[in-house]
Amino acid sequence: QVHLVQSGAEVKKPGASVKVSCTASGYTFSGYSMNWVRQAPGQGLEWMGRINPISGGTNYAQKFQGRVTMTRDTSTSTAYMELTNLRSDDTAVYYCARDCDGGDCMDVWGKGTTVTVSS
Amino acid sequence: QSALTQPASLSGSPGQSITISCTGSSRDVGNYNLVSWYQQHPGKVPRLIIYEGSKRPSGVSDRFSGSKSGNTASLTISGLQVEDEADYYCCAYAGSRKFWVFGGGTKLTVL
Repeated sequence: QVHLVQSGAEVKKPGASVKVSCTASGYTFSGYSMNWVRQAPGQGLEWMGRINPISGGTNYAQKFQGRVTMTRDTSTSTAYMELTNLRSDDTAVYYCARDCDGGDCMDVWGKGTTVTVSS
Repeated sequence: QSALTQPASLSGSPGQSITISCTGSSRDVGNYNLVSWYQQHPGKVPRLIIYEGSKRPSGVSDRFSGSKSGNTASLTISGLQVEDEADYYCCAYAGSRKFWVFGGGTKLTVL
């Protein structure tokens, strides 16, 4: 059974950073890129970026360029997403989502990590 | 403002068919056959229901179907059931710079 287990909820102050983890099991971690998608309260889905687990190469949505860093640790089958200089509008549920076989969709999603940014 | 435009809400009665549109541009929906659709029930994780425009993953009901014409992709749900009440999001590949873009989502109510 394929699973993506994410780290727990976080509460951060404006200007701080958050690092969310996503640990994969049930498949070969290096075989599929990992995406990060967020959803603000009552809002839609927003793609943030993705990481190739083999090369570590990344693609980031322009909106997050300069504030987001995605990394991975193949030894623990874990992907990470770090977002810096947090603002109140970064309050959202952050999901990791595995690429489909052909890299043309996202077929397995983590349960999400709630990040709350508040002073 | 989302890159892809979906109706904010739609409603239908059990047994009816509805179609959700997803309008993009020649840089995304119109240029690649890489549109996927996700269903999200309240408080739940998004679930892939259509990929590559019209393909269904294993386990997804054949009441869900996808299509595309020009810059607009569509999701049709036939034989509406109460459990189809959810939010639906389209997602399209937008090239190697923007990569994936989502629609704003459509809230489907089954009356």
